[in-house]
Formats: sequence, structure tokens, C-alpha cells
Amino acid sequence: QVQLQESGPGLVKPSETLSLTCTVSGGSIINYYWGWIRQPAGKGLEWIGRINTSGSTNYNPSLKSRVTMSVDTSKSQFSLKLSSVTAADTAIYYCARENGDYGLYVYWGQGTLVTVSS
Amino acid sequence: DIQMTQSPSSLSASVGDRVSITCRASQSINNYLNWYQQNPGKAPKLLIYAASNLQSGVPSRFSGSGFGTDFTLTISSLQPEDFATYSCQQTYSTPRTFGQGTKVEIK
Repeated sequence: QVQLQESGPGLVKPSETLSLTCTVSGGSIINYYWGWIRQPAGKGLEWIGRINTSGSTNYNPSLKSRVTMSVDTSKSQFSLKLSSVTAADTAIYYCARENGDYGLYVYWGQGTLVTVSS
Repeated sequence: DIQMTQSPSSLSASVGDRVSITCRASQSINNYLNWYQQNPGKAPKLLIYAASNLQSGVPSRFSGSGFGTDFTLTISSLQPEDFATYSCQQTYSTPRTFGQGTKVEIK
């Protein structure tokens, strides 16, 4: 069974960079797209972007100037960096595997709350 | 970006009720539409993919329909464990976009 686990600081100061890592276990990281989705408290899901194991990325244009994703296949990990954060970036951040032609998100991490505050 | 609009944003229903949630895309997405269920504090769970295909392990009371811009998720007989938030997502193009969610509450 594929499992994903987010890790990283739960508190980030305004203007700093949010950094999260997702570790994949129970399956290969190769030949999939891996995505990041976030959800502010009481609000809907927002797709941040995705990366494949060749390093090809797609970012949400609303965040593109601040987002960087990377992948480390040797560690079965992929990462998210979001720069110049503000309180509006406070959310639960999920990592997930995008699967197949229809881009299904079957496997998700449990989510990690990141709060932006001084 | 393709905008996804769900309606209603919330609804109250009783156990055994038939419930329908609609999702409209701002442009045609063929059948690149997935539905998710989310309980508080949990990650979303895939229910329906490609507009009308039931994900493995999902009860048959859930069904999806639609093509192009208009889609519907139907729960034929609401069960206690179905009280949750439901979200649609288009995967026709990037950025993948979600609807704002529909909260199904107990009447």
C-alpha cells in the first residue's frame, strides 16, 4: 500500500520560505506525477502544483512566482518550497500522487498544518 | 484557468434521502472530472473518476454523471457516514482546479 508522509516546520515567519518534504513508501516514486494541494481552515482545496520524476513541473499561476518543487528519487521524496509567505499561506498542506490519464489523486498524505506567524 | 463552481455550497438532508450535487466547469473538460469526499481533519478520498467511474471500494450508492461542462454527484440513499464535504476537481488541464466544496449536513 502506497503511503505518503509530509514533514516540515509547522510555524513559519512572514516573508520567510515554507519548506515541506513528502516521503513515499510502499511503492515506486518513478513514473508518476506528485502533487501538492493546500486547504486553508474552513475553505476549499487549492492545487499548488506537481512534479514528475524527470523533474518536469506544472505550477498554479497564482503561486508560480513563489513556488519551487523538486524530487529526490534516491530517497523517494519530493519537496515544496514557497517563498515570501504571508498569513494567507496558512493552511493544511497535502502531498498526493497523481495517477493515470485522468489525474486521479488516490493516495494522499495525512496533511500537515503550516501556520505563518511572527 | 478552468473555474469549477459547485452548488449548493451546503445542504441538509436526512438518512435515506437522495442527494445530488452539481459541478459546472467554465469551459468544456470532456469527462476529466473527479469527485472527492472529505471528513474533518482527514485527507480527501476519491469517490468517482472520469465523471462516472466508481473508485474501487466505494459504495454503489454513489454515482456520477455528466460531460462537457455540467456534472452531477448523486448519493442514492444517504447513510450516516456520508455526512461530509464533497469536492469536484477537473484534470483536463493544469492548473488542476477544485470546486469550493459542498458540505452535506444532517437535517
